Parts: sequence; C-alpha cells; structure tokens
Amino acid sequence: DQQVKQNSPSLSVQEGRISILNCDYTNSMFDYFLWYKKYPAEGPTFLISISSIKDKNEDGRFTVFLNKSAKHLSLHIVPSQPGDSAVYFCAATSRFNFGNEKLTFGTGTRLTIIP
Amino acid sequence: EPEVTQTPSHQVTQMGQEVILRCVPISNHLYFYWYRQILGQKVEFLVSFYNNEISEKSEIFDDQFSVERPDGSNFTLKIRSTKLEDSAMYFCASSLDLNEKLFFGSGTQLSVL
Repeated sequence: DQQVKQNSPSLSVQEGRISILNCDYTNSMFDYFLWYKKYPAEGPTFLISISSIKDKNEDGRFTVFLNKSAKHLSLHIVPSQPGDSAVYFCAATSRFNFGNEKLTFGTGTRLTIIP
Repeated sequence: EPEVTQTPSHQVTQMGQEVILRCVPISNHLYFYWYRQILGQKVEFLVSFYNNEISEKSEIFDDQFSVERPDGSNFTLKIRSTKLEDSAMYFCASSLDLNEKLFFGSGTQLSVL
C-alpha cells in the first residue's frame, strides 16, 4: 500500500543546473507535505514543507510545488550544489487528524550532483 | 544545534531475544516518535508518544513492541522477542509540538540473526 510514491530511485544532475524531484500520493486525506534530506549514517533532516492550501512554497534554493488535482508534488533545487547529493524523501500527513505525528514516507530518491 | 541522540548505532541480536533501543530527544520537545526503515523500503511510522502515553501507533507496532520514557531524558523502544523481519534501521524523532517539524536521530541499525 504505497500511499506516497517516488518513482525515480535515483537522479543525477550537473552542478549549477536545476534538480527536480517528484512525488505522487494517493490518499485524499493528506493535507500537508514535507521533504526530508538524508545523508549516509544520519537521520532524515527536514528541508521544506507545504500545506494543501498553497501550491508553492519557496525557501532559498528550494521550492516545493503542489498540484492537488494531480496529487503530485515536486521539489526544485536551483542551482544544484555538490552538498545537495543525498537521498530525498517525500512525506505526507493528514495534519487535521494527526498533526505531524504520523508521517507517511515515500521510498526516496538518491540525488547525485555531478561537479 | 540541539540534536536527537540514539544508542547504540548498531545492535546485533539473536532471534527471540529482547532488545532495547535508546534515544535522548531534544530537551524541550514534547512529542517523541519511532520510525523504522527496512533495507530498500520506505521509512515507516511505528509510534508516537506524548504526555507519558502512546498517542498514535501503526499496525506494525504490535504487542512485541513497547515504548517508555523511564526518566526525564530517555525514550526507549523495546522489542520483546525479536524476529528476523525486525531487522531494520530504527529512527527516533522528537518535535516541540504536534504541528512542528520532526528532528530525527541518526538511527540504530538492528540486525536479527
């Protein structure tokens, strides 16, 4: 039962270019979406989030776009830097019901930035 | 920056043995969580804990699992009788409040032989 799907297990992008990571969800109850970044031997680190009342949220080089009708969100990183190489997890929750307690994660996308 | 600390980083145990995974959440945080990631799979929610009791739990969190906050700083996950399929990376997390972001520890890799 994959309620949150990240269909690309890996992505390679040239340094300085845009990285676009995609995520699809199936549960209509989800109203809050988050992206986490994970380096080897570390836990996931919060990156950026978006509420379902918005379609875009920007924080520096990171922008998350939400298309509710398509149940799709994407994370854009511009410009990509070598330190961005990590595994990126999309996560979702029904904040109305659970707050941030019960996050449902995708399987992750390994991003490699090529110098 | 404050961080969530987990010990040990690796734990190897025999099937049927009890294990206790330990976590020290960020000191002023009120919500505590356990998640796990089986190799090659997604990170899965196990349980959340607030005000000294379980707030939410998943179907994975059956009677073999228990959580405890034995003192003011530690948060533990106990697996009573480990099974091979319990082998995973277990992440502890904490948050200041219900709608605040989660801070994760670096995980305990549990290997059940």
